[in-house]
Amino acid sequence: GIQVEQSPPDLILQEGANSTLRCNFSDSVNNLQWFHQNPWGQLINLFYIPSGTKQNGRLSATTVATERYSLLYISSSQTTDSGVYFCAVDLNYQLIWGAGTKLIIKP
Amino acid sequence: GAGVSQSPRYKVTKRGQDVALRCDPISGHVSLYWYRQALGQGPEFLTYFNYEAQQDKSGLPNDRFSAERPEGSISTLTIQRTEQRDSAMYRCASSLYGTGEGGELFFGEGSRLTVL
Repeated sequence: GIQVEQSPPDLILQEGANSTLRCNFSDSVNNLQWFHQNPWGQLINLFYIPSGTKQNGRLSATTVATERYSLLYISSSQTTDSGVYFCAVDLNYQLIWGAGTKLIIKP
Repeated sequence: GAGVSQSPRYKVTKRGQDVALRCDPISGHVSLYWYRQALGQGPEFLTYFNYEAQQDKSGLPNDRFSAERPEGSISTLTIQRTEQRDSAMYRCASSLYGTGEGGELFFGEGSRLTVL
């Protein structure tokens, strides 16, 4: 089946730093979504991004479907950005999830 | 409603008891999904509905697990004769339709099940 790999698995940064999270997938997919799971366990949809680039405030995402990867950029990190970032690819309505990147932003 | 609502938020039960977990999706959302999430891992697909029709139940671990959505809105995930290995966070999500165009998934806060 399709494999979804996220890197790095863990990332610790100081407040104000920028970061890039990567998601590689092994096969063609219909779509890709990025989620943030905050320390309280809430799962929040960040981007729905089959291809191209989207921006939302300090966050942006780029998916290059032909090369089977997506990047999530976080600029000027804040402590509230801490949590786990998941990418999930859409394969016939089932989402296949990566293992996540655990991000810790230190004040 | 404004968001996906799940109840109960926390459920502690004894092994062998039946539990029912409820999900109220965002109003107007056609698709409803159930996931299970173990600590430190991504969500694991359980089952999926479009309207009242269960499209795929391949993720349900065994026949003790069942789900329904009789009127195409609220859904119930039922676990019969619970076992300790069923302890997990059970998450419900809804989308306007599917996971294709317009298919952003919105998750509820989850129901944490603990089986003693």
